[in-house]
Amino acid sequence: QVQLVQSGAEVKKSGSSVKVSCKASGGTFRDYGINWVRQAPGQGLEWMGEIIPIFNTTNYAQKFEGRVTITADESRSTAYMELSSLRSDDTAVYYCARVAEWEALDYWGQGTLVTVSS
Amino acid sequence: DIQMTQSPSSVSASVGDRITITCRASQGVSNWIAWFQQKPGKAPRLLIYATSSLQSGVPSRFSGGGSGSNYTLTIRSLQPEDFATYYCQQAYSFPRTFGQGTKVEIK
Repeated sequence: QVQLVQSGAEVKKSGSSVKVSCKASGGTFRDYGINWVRQAPGQGLEWMGEIIPIFNTTNYAQKFEGRVTITADESRSTAYMELSSLRSDDTAVYYCARVAEWEALDYWGQGTLVTVSS
Repeated sequence: DIQMTQSPSSVSASVGDRITITCRASQGVSNWIAWFQQKPGKAPRLLIYATSSLQSGVPSRFSGGGSGSNYTLTIRSLQPEDFATYYCQQAYSFPRTFGQGTKVEIK
């Protein structure tokens, strides 16, 4: 079955960058888009961006434009989300999710906690 | 950006109750609406997509409806495992946006 497995928790300093990976198995990686969604402690879900590996196209939320880069390595069936210039309010659980028909996010990774400290 | 407003923000209900959660978009989203369930410490789970299509494996007591800018998630006969937070999301345009969530609590 389809699984998305994310990299482990990270602790970062303000101003640094973090790169979170999301490895897919059980499906054809290039046939689906991957979205990244984050959730700050006790807060709701916030969409960050998307990559469509087959077209190598990306869309980003304007809020993160210039700070976020989403990439994909088809040979590794892995998507990556890199967030730079980290601030304390970037502390959150970051999720990857597969985009299926009707743009529905049908499979999710387990989440990666990124803690930003000063 | 399309703003998604859910109501209520929380609801207390009993096992067996029927509840309806509403999601209003700031503009029409042409049925590009999904609903997710999230339990503490877990990733969201897709329940409904394209307004009313039930995701595989989701119990039929969950249903979705609506059109234009107004959408609903109904849970018929609440079960103990349904106590969670529910989010709507529009997939009509970028950036994708989520509602603020509705917490369903045990009365």
